[in-house]
Amino acid sequence: DSGVTQTPKHLITATGQRVTLRCSPRSGDLSVYWYQQSLDQGLQFLIQYYNGEERAKGNILERFSAQQFPDLHSELNLSSLELGDSALYFCASSPWGNEKLFFGSGTQLSVL
Amino acid sequence: ILNVEQSPQSLHVQEGDSTNFTCSFPSSNFYALHWYRWETAKSPEALFVMTLNGDEKKKGRISATLNTKEGYSYLYIKGSQPEDSATYLCAFPHSGGGADGLTFGKGTHLIIQP
Repeated sequence: DSGVTQTPKHLITATGQRVTLRCSPRSGDLSVYWYQQSLDQGLQFLIQYYNGEERAKGNILERFSAQQFPDLHSELNLSSLELGDSALYFCASSPWGNEKLFFGSGTQLSVL
Repeated sequence: ILNVEQSPQSLHVQEGDSTNFTCSFPSSNFYALHWYRWETAKSPEALFVMTLNGDEKKKGRISATLNTKEGYSYLYIKGSQPEDSATYLCAFPHSGGGADGLTFGKGTHLIIQP
């Protein structure tokens, strides 16, 4: 158990809908990262937050947004969902920002 | 855009044999190189974080070396066991600054055959 909690584990929804994925980092970790894993693609970096502020942005679509709250948990919001958004979404955390990442178990999103 | 390349893409190894695979990364603005192990139906788990040229790290039967000048790292597994079957990922800091997320390679999928 990495100490990073992601909910829900599975999510099935329809095109055009909006969903929210939630992540609680390890106790004491200030950085939260979101990654997307889809078929034939490696882990794609989406976005990083550090202590409540956006730190770095990767290949995140405009339809997606994230935030980190004062208690350090983070949410990834995916809107106007398309079939191609079906993927495994991972959250990871680290104490500061350049140490090894601890990954949650992921949320499997299926858009039908 | 950072280019992190791993080879081979997949590898079948007989139980008891040793093996190794490669990660190539940009040699300029090096900060760190990470290795992760990802077993099926689990989450990626960190093996090593390497920062110094010539660094060698070891964890049980798994070890890794780093050459920052030429931009590559090798991961070695000695005496492969079935439980070593996994995808091995290397990762490089997104912007070279070390604190901005990691760019992952697509991994080497290792299958140990009994």
